[in-house]
Amino acid sequence: QSALTQPASVSGSPGQSITISCTGTSRDVGAYKYVSWYQQHPGKAPKVMIYDVNNRPSGVSNRFSGSKSGNTASLTISGLQAEDEADYYCSSFTTSSTLVFGGGTKLTVL
Amino acid sequence: HLQLQESGPGLVKPSETLSLTCTVSGDSISNGTYYWGWIRQPPGKGLAWIGNIYYTGITYYSPSLKSRVTISLDTSRNQFSLELSSVTAADTAVYYCARAQSRDWFDPWGQGTLVTVSS
Repeated sequence: QSALTQPASVSGSPGQSITISCTGTSRDVGAYKYVSWYQQHPGKAPKVMIYDVNNRPSGVSNRFSGSKSGNTASLTISGLQAEDEADYYCSSFTTSSTLVFGGGTKLTVL
Repeated sequence: HLQLQESGPGLVKPSETLSLTCTVSGDSISNGTYYWGWIRQPPGKGLAWIGNIYYTGITYYSPSLKSRVTISLDTSRNQFSLELSSVTAADTAVYYCARAQSRDWFDPWGQGTLVTVSS
């Protein structure tokens, strides 16, 4: 299985909104409503920000939202803050009952 | 408050077997609601799923690692383990254990442990 495709980097200014895409296939992203997003700061373990395409775990800011259309999922962060600067990874369940991650996107807050 | 902690050798020789244990506190791994998983991250690179195990012992593995990986449970110690055989330098990574909710998303994660493959 191939890794999901994410842009290598995105950037935005404080207060702005950004969107990170995650493109897969009909065997993963397009197959189910099982896409999740993780935030990882340097030297830290990843933290789930979105699960099942558009659900936020308790404690995650409502500035984070998710969506999906066809084989592409998206993470949107509104009202960018300096603390949002991190690496972001998408993940999807697949039709083979396995999991696949995206290559990761580095978010820079200008 | 659920916590996971990885443990094991930080250095493994090429062609040998990498063995790691994840100790779970704050919940029982026999809890039928969750799966338990391993994920790794080579230095400077992205996350890669290794595999999951359910409390019944059913396992799911990454196709690229399936021939070399074994994940098992030790319910008496509330631990689950990873074994990766015939390692090479490409297996050098930070290895994370995590609880998998509904098989497909991980929360929480352990802090991770760096395993270096070198002679």
